[in-house]
Amino acid sequence: NAGVTQTPKFRVLKTGQSMTLLCAQDMNHEYMYWYRQDPGMGLRLIHYSVGEGTTAKGEVPDGYNVSRLKKQNFLLGLESAAPSQTSVYFCASMGLIGEKLFFGSGTQLSVL
Amino acid sequence: GQQLNQSPQSMFIQEGEDVSMNCTSSSIFNTWLWYKQDPGEGPVLLIALYKAGELTSNGRLTAQFGITRKDSFLNISASIPSDVGIYFCAATTSGTYKYIFGTGTRLKVLA
Repeated sequence: NAGVTQTPKFRVLKTGQSMTLLCAQDMNHEYMYWYRQDPGMGLRLIHYSVGEGTTAKGEVPDGYNVSRLKKQNFLLGLESAAPSQTSVYFCASMGLIGEKLFFGSGTQLSVL
Repeated sequence: GQQLNQSPQSMFIQEGEDVSMNCTSSSIFNTWLWYKQDPGEGPVLLIALYKAGELTSNGRLTAQFGITRKDSFLNISASIPSDVGIYFCAATTSGTYKYIFGTGTRLKVLA
């Protein structure tokens, strides 16, 4: 009964380093999303995917890249980390349009 | 980005009291979701609403899809200390695969 699984849980990067966050869902969902959550800003959509092999930009895509090579996985990459990318990142998935949206437990990222 | 107006922003209540919060918008929606988020954790889905006027319960929680389709309400009855956390709503319209989110209600329960 895993649902949406994110790894890692915590990460500290130095400015300029790169990293990849992994999201995996076992519900055979078509739609997957990456959000960032900052104090006072709520959840903001970074990138999303409407199916395997597809990706699209959300509200705040700059500095991030994504890939959805397999239906169950959605990867978020930071090419050159900046302190402004310090945040909590959440992955979410949904089966059909207008249905329930399920979140992972989040990744706390600090960029020094 | 677009957000739903959620109120109250925060509230202190005594254990055993009932709690009410709501989300409003000027737009019409087809689905409303309510979540609870504990510190350091991801949002956990509490209730999903799909039809105007729908009233759905999950234990001590009851949520309603507003009849105008522009708002939704969440009630918690007989609050307990573990109800502490941030509650937020999410909504989406027909044909779109993006949800918009409320700003959250921080609930604090005094034992």
